[in-house]
Amino acid sequence: GAVVSQHPSWVICKSGTSVKIECRSLDFQATTMFWYRQFPKQSLMLMATSNEGSKATYEQGVEKDKFLINHASLTLSTLTVTSAHPEDSSFYICSASGTVGHRLVSYEQYFGPGTRLTVT
Amino acid sequence: AQKVTQAQTEISVVEKEDVTLDCVYETRDTTYYLFWYKQPPSGELVFLIRRNSFDEQNEISGRYSWNFQKSTSSFNFTITASQVVDSAVYFCALSGVDDSWGKLQFGAGTQVVVTP
Repeated sequence: GAVVSQHPSWVICKSGTSVKIECRSLDFQATTMFWYRQFPKQSLMLMATSNEGSKATYEQGVEKDKFLINHASLTLSTLTVTSAHPEDSSFYICSASGTVGHRLVSYEQYFGPGTRLTVT
Repeated sequence: AQKVTQAQTEISVVEKEDVTLDCVYETRDTTYYLFWYKQPPSGELVFLIRRNSFDEQNEISGRYSWNFQKSTSSFNFTITASQVVDSAVYFCALSGVDDSWGKLQFGAGTQVVVTP
């Protein structure tokens, strides 16, 4: 199956700094990427949807100025947590769907391994 | 609005016992997809199954089986002869199609603990 990577796998930062998380589709063109957030012992919550070349669509309650999403190419989306605070500490997971070669796999969705963010 | 309910927070079993995880969903869509994912302690989601709303056939894959009952809006998952490696959190999820595709609504998850 298609592979999605995330970098970094974990990051610790100080309060007030910004952190960028990368999500890459390694062997397919990701026309759509999704960002999820998971607090400890809780479920995954969709934060935003991004389509290549256009602005991300944020779910209700997600601050777009705090969680900047850029999907500038068919293989890369980034999530930047700006002015991070301890309450932003969470597990961030991206997923992607798109095409593999000429095969449309838009109804397949591939998850990255996640990035654990700790803000001190 | 879509909603997925996994009422079981945690299930503990002894190895070789069967375990069934319940999933009840709500949606106004006539076409939708249901999923099960496994999340081991490492955190990475492992895809188990995707089922569309028009396919009510039950499915078996090795020790895993799924029972989709559209009449009761349920999509239950059974692990037969559980093993310690099955210990994980299992999530049921729901997605619409078209503009809603991929926007997964996850249930709260069920922690499965399998002891030797």
